[in-house]
Amino acid sequence: KQEVTQIPAALSVPEGENLVLNCSFTDSAIYNLQWFRQDPGKGLTSLLLIQSSQREQTSGRLNASLDKSSGRSTLYIAASQPGDSATYLCAGNNAGNMLTFGGGTRLMVKP
Amino acid sequence: DGGITQSPKYLFRKEGQNVTLSCEQNLNHDAMYWYRQDPGQGLRLIYYSQIVNDFQKGDIAEGYSVSREKKESFPLTVTSAQKNPTAFYLCASSRAGLSGNTIYFGEGSWLTVV
Repeated sequence: KQEVTQIPAALSVPEGENLVLNCSFTDSAIYNLQWFRQDPGKGLTSLLLIQSSQREQTSGRLNASLDKSSGRSTLYIAASQPGDSATYLCAGNNAGNMLTFGGGTRLMVKP
Repeated sequence: DGGITQSPKYLFRKEGQNVTLSCEQNLNHDAMYWYRQDPGQGLRLIYYSQIVNDFQKGDIAEGYSVSREKKESFPLTVTSAQKNPTAFYLCASSRAGLSGNTIYFGEGSWLTVV
């Protein structure tokens, strides 16, 4: 069964810093991997979706990579801003309609 | 605007009571999902439906029931058999399967047992 782990659970950085969030998964037979943002008490917003045949996806200041062989994905945030403060979750899709979520990384960007 | 609407936002349940959470989408999506999120944790799948009048159990279906009588609606009933129902419930939808499609989430419903 797929297990997804996100480290660290919480991260605090000063504004302007580049940062990397980590996601690891146990089953490399993955269809795709998605990164989401969740603001407190809100639903999830999809940020990036990486198909199994892709190695990375970019959207603005965000870049996500996928390395199936090592069971890892990273989300790179460039020039972080206070508005980036949120919880970031990754999820792997192994079996059609089943997404397995990590526990999330709670990010705080200080002005 | 297109999207997913969950109601109510906050709900309180007494011991032994069944409650129903509503989820409506106007995105014309075939697939709909219910997830549970406990504080500080990721999401766990309760039920999903790929098509009208069909649904499948997820990882934690015990104590929950669903129906899918219309494409746009996927209500979740939390029954008295669910012993620890206090959580944040999220409804989601996607075009079809998740192998190539983005999933969209509602704003969530908070359920508390009193």
